[in-house]
Amino acid sequence: EPEVTQTPSHQVTQMGQEVILRCVPISNHLYFYWYRQILGQKVEFLVSFYNNEISEKSEIFDDQFSVERPDGSNFTLKIRSTKLEDSAMYFCASGLAGGRGTDTQYFGPGTRLTVL
Amino acid sequence: SQQGEEDPQALSIQEGENATMNCSYKTSINNLQWYRQNSGRGLVHLILIRSNEREKHSGRLRVTLDTSKKSSSLLITASRAADTASYFCATDAGEDDKIIFGKGTRLHILP
Repeated sequence: EPEVTQTPSHQVTQMGQEVILRCVPISNHLYFYWYRQILGQKVEFLVSFYNNEISEKSEIFDDQFSVERPDGSNFTLKIRSTKLEDSAMYFCASGLAGGRGTDTQYFGPGTRLTVL
Repeated sequence: SQQGEEDPQALSIQEGENATMNCSYKTSINNLQWYRQNSGRGLVHLILIRSNEREKHSGRLRVTLDTSKKSSSLLITASRAADTASYFCATDAGEDDKIIFGKGTRLHILP
């Protein structure tokens, strides 16, 4: 069964450093998402991406964040200058359909980001 | 803001018993999804139920949706130790495609 994959599984970085989290969505999916989950808290929406552009972003997704689909398979989340509060589990998700009446979103296993 | 909230926050039951978790939300939705998360792991999709559906089954899982009460329930029958996990409902409400997660119910199946 196809699945969303994410690398690395754990990333440790120093505050102020740039990180890139990588995701390979399910191959025929068209809608891509990033979510994050701070330890012990809810899963929070960050951004959705369709047709090579951001379709929606949350207040969390400020200028320090960016997403890219550099080729036909990868979907990346970049944090330009990490802060301590960026420490969280970051989940990538993909779906076949989006917009009103979204279809199932399939999640990757997550990347645990630790900012020191 | 529109949001799913699960209850109870935590639930411990004996293996073999049925587990019921509830989710309430605030605004009209397009669909509602249930996910499972094992400790420190990723989110596994369980079931999606659309706003025009009232009940769906998948194996030992049964999900109901009552849009008049803005609530959903997830029933796991004949629970197993492997069902120990956190369970989240996630709602999709707007023109966009983000889903909003609740805080989850931590389910612990006792041997």
